[in-house]
Amino acid sequence: QSVLTQPPSVSGAPGQRVTISCTGSSSNLGAGYAVHWYQQLPGTAPKLLIYANNNRPSGVPDRISGSKSDTSASLAITGLQAEDEADYYCQSYDINLNVVFGGGTKLTVL
Amino acid sequence: QVQLVQSGAEVKKPGASVKVSCKASGYTFSGYYIHWVRQAPGQGLEWLGWTNPKSGGTHYARKFQDRVTMTRDTSISTAYMELTWLTSDDTAVYYCVRDDTGDAYDIWGQGTMVTVSS
Repeated sequence: QSVLTQPPSVSGAPGQRVTISCTGSSSNLGAGYAVHWYQQLPGTAPKLLIYANNNRPSGVPDRISGSKSDTSASLAITGLQAEDEADYYCQSYDINLNVVFGGGTKLTVL
Repeated sequence: QVQLVQSGAEVKKPGASVKVSCKASGYTFSGYYIHWVRQAPGQGLEWLGWTNPKSGGTHYARKFQDRVTMTRDTSISTAYMELTWLTSDDTAVYYCVRDDTGDAYDIWGQGTMVTVSS
């Protein structure tokens, strides 16, 4: 059972917008710790997608965005493309300085 | 380029230990913490702990603190993770990751598959 809660799956048609939620508690996200998001394509290592709530590393398109409010965060992908089909994970810290992950969300492009 | 290169796949028997290496290149090894994360087949990501390459300090997840040891050799820019008393539940891909200054994992190793089977 993961400390951060994500929906197991989301889906959308090409061109649509999807969001993935990440819910924590007062011991992690609510304590002010930033949230980061990773994309994992099948058979590969995860890749950093969003850091510090809403920042994109170089090379990540601006149709991908993140937000955070108190104990929850979300990842939004607009203009959905087939290449976006992957697993997505949120990550943060807790008040004991342990790293915590969400259980992961499988995005299916219909 | 900046990269982390891990040692190869391992097959171990229950009760044995495994030591995975992670060689850093393209950046100052002592400048960034190294974390270890694992992923069991078909499952999500699980954090094991971190090591500070500069000081050698460590912090382990409570679940693993009796079985895991993280070390480093700064002379060869390599971090190590040793896990003891392996069971089938430890079968997973183990990743070393670089902790950027913003506490995000910006560089991932390619992963090391550890299989525990009798």
